[in-house]
Amino acid sequence: KNQVEQSPQSLIILEGKNCTLQCNYTVSPFSNLRWYKQDTGRGPVSLTIMTFSENTKSNGRYTATLDADTKQSSLHITASQLSDSASYICVVGSQGNLIFGKGTKLSVKP
Amino acid sequence: EAQVTQNPRYLITVTGKKLTVTCSQNMNHEYMSWYRQDPGLGLRQIYYSMNVEVTDKGDVPEGYKVSRKEKRNFPLILESPSPNQTSLYFCASSLSDADVAYEQYFGPGTRLTVT
Repeated sequence: KNQVEQSPQSLIILEGKNCTLQCNYTVSPFSNLRWYKQDTGRGPVSLTIMTFSENTKSNGRYTATLDADTKQSSLHITASQLSDSASYICVVGSQGNLIFGKGTKLSVKP
Repeated sequence: EAQVTQNPRYLITVTGKKLTVTCSQNMNHEYMSWYRQDPGLGLRQIYYSMNVEVTDKGDVPEGYKVSRKEKRNFPLILESPSPNQTSLYFCASSLSDADVAYEQYFGPGTRLTVT
């Protein structure tokens, strides 16, 4: 069964600290992997999209990595800000559609 | 401004009363999709459309209908809503389907409560 698993479920960090979110997937065939940021009650916003041949992609303070051999991805957030408080969703594209993880809820405290 | 719009944003209705949630995009995108999001379950696809007059079922299509008569619009229809359709709904659009690494843009969401 195609699945996208994220860890941890939730995370609390202090403002200014770095953090790394994990994503493991068992999806086949694989087309691409995406990370989205979703503020509470709002639509997801794309952070990065990586294809099979890409192993890292950055968007400002967000850096995503992809290991297609082990089917793992991570999202690293550098120098966190209060506005980074949100859910971060790992999504895999396969057979024309998106398969969503349940997300990691990040809280950044002052 | 490039965007996906949904209306209404909030809706409280009663069981069995037909409703339509509209979705419109101004980016000339071919691909449009509807998702629902429930606590602890993540986003699940309801229906999608590759182009005008081409629609197909997603993972949870039961109780929903869609149509794609124009490229920019993709309404979601609940003919006879039930309480288990209480959820947060998102419309999304993209230049192509998810096999191509194009960004998928999401609307602001419609929070539906069926009593």
